[in-house]
Amino acid sequence: QSVLTQPPSVSAAPGQKVTISCSGSNSNIGNNYVSWYQQLPGTAPRLLIYENNKRRSGIPDRFSGSKSGTSATLGITGLQTGDEADYYCGTWDTTLSGGVFGGGTKLTVL
Amino acid sequence: QVQLVQSGPEVKEPGASVRVSCKPSGYTFTSYGISWVRQAPGQGLEWMGWISAYDGTTNYAQEFRDRVTMTTETSTTTVYMELRSLRSDDTAVYFCARKGCGGDCYSADFWGQGTLVTVSS
Repeated sequence: QSVLTQPPSVSAAPGQKVTISCSGSNSNIGNNYVSWYQQLPGTAPRLLIYENNKRRSGIPDRFSGSKSGTSATLGITGLQTGDEADYYCGTWDTTLSGGVFGGGTKLTVL
Repeated sequence: QVQLVQSGPEVKEPGASVRVSCKPSGYTFTSYGISWVRQAPGQGLEWMGWISAYDGTTNYAQEFRDRVTMTTETSTTTVYMELRSLRSDDTAVYFCARKGCGGDCYSADFWGQGTLVTVSS
């Protein structure tokens, strides 16, 4: 199982807001930057957020990231059907001395 | 623009080795490290390790440490990932990605298209 914990799925209606949580420990999220990735079906992941809350160039401000203690959150407002994808959080784990991911969250826009 | 182009799909028998290539373009090759991440069918992302394109320093995930080798070829600006002693559970899409931060950290700002490696007898 994954070092970081994400809910397997979330859903919301078009135009609504959703949040995706990512829980870890002091070994990873607590002391390292978190990044978030969107993976559309059949494609490579795409960086959305880096260093906890910085939007990658070209990513709309509907996407936001935050971190508190050993947890991080991705927020998406004004949901669109094109946002349906798998979302992953990632960070460095100091104890493992390696990168770690959450198990991924499947977003469904109803 | 930044692009990472990977080699094509591979089919290997158990016990064999596979080498996947990744050719970045659109930036100075030696300025960024390259991470490798794999994704088994229907599963999540798994970090395998990374290599500095500047000096070849590597950091492998514990579970791959005795089976993986990552190398760079500066003359052709190509990065390679070799995985040995393949098992059926190594069947996955293998991605290379540009390391978007320095030192001990994880962030990947540009990704290759992925290479499907199928291990089957």
